[in-house]
Amino acid sequence: DVKVTQSSRYLVKRTGEKVFLECVQDMDHENMFWYRQDPGLGLRLIYFSYDVKMKEKGDIPEGYSVSREKKERFSLILESASTNQTSMYLCASSFLQGTNEKLFFGSGTQLSVL
Amino acid sequence: QKEVEQNSGPLSVPEGAIASLNCTYSDRVSQSFFWYRQYSGKSPELIMSIYSNGDKEDGRFTAQLNKASQYVSLLIRDSQPSDSATYLCAVRLFSGGYNKLIFGAGTRLAVHP
Repeated sequence: DVKVTQSSRYLVKRTGEKVFLECVQDMDHENMFWYRQDPGLGLRLIYFSYDVKMKEKGDIPEGYSVSREKKERFSLILESASTNQTSMYLCASSFLQGTNEKLFFGSGTQLSVL
Repeated sequence: QKEVEQNSGPLSVPEGAIASLNCTYSDRVSQSFFWYRQYSGKSPELIMSIYSNGDKEDGRFTAQLNKASQYVSLLIRDSQPSDSATYLCAVRLFSGGYNKLIFGAGTRLAVHP
């Protein structure tokens, strides 16, 4: 079974702190994604990566950056945490065969910024 | 206009009934469509994918796609309380030079005994 592991299930940080959310997958997937999920807004794409060292902005990249130094690891960085970044963060990985793609999600990190 | 739209619900159906979940999308050239199920406090999991116009059946689930109307739906026959969850519609579309998977906000389904 594919396993996508997020480093923390719950995280509490203070405004202005630099926050690192780590995600590791064990299936050699090329594609990795970071989403945030807020009530009524669904899953919104923050950043994605289709290869090592490659990163692309999603729909809401402001206030975030990412790092993908190794294929299995995709990190999300909040440069200076703000209260509006309180959310559930979901990491996912996949491989794409033609148009067929299945995302495998981690268990999520509930981040609270105080 | 949102790229992928769903009615947030809740959609309440009695056990044994057919639950019908709907999704519309804005990008005419989208080719791939997916339904994910998310139980409360859990991560989404893929339950159906559909690429061609018409119906695709998998057990109690049927996905329906109408590209002309930019509409995709999920039917759940013989609904069970264990089907109570949020159902997320996802559409693969080409934006900003890349293919991206865009999710709707989800429809909450409640199946009552």
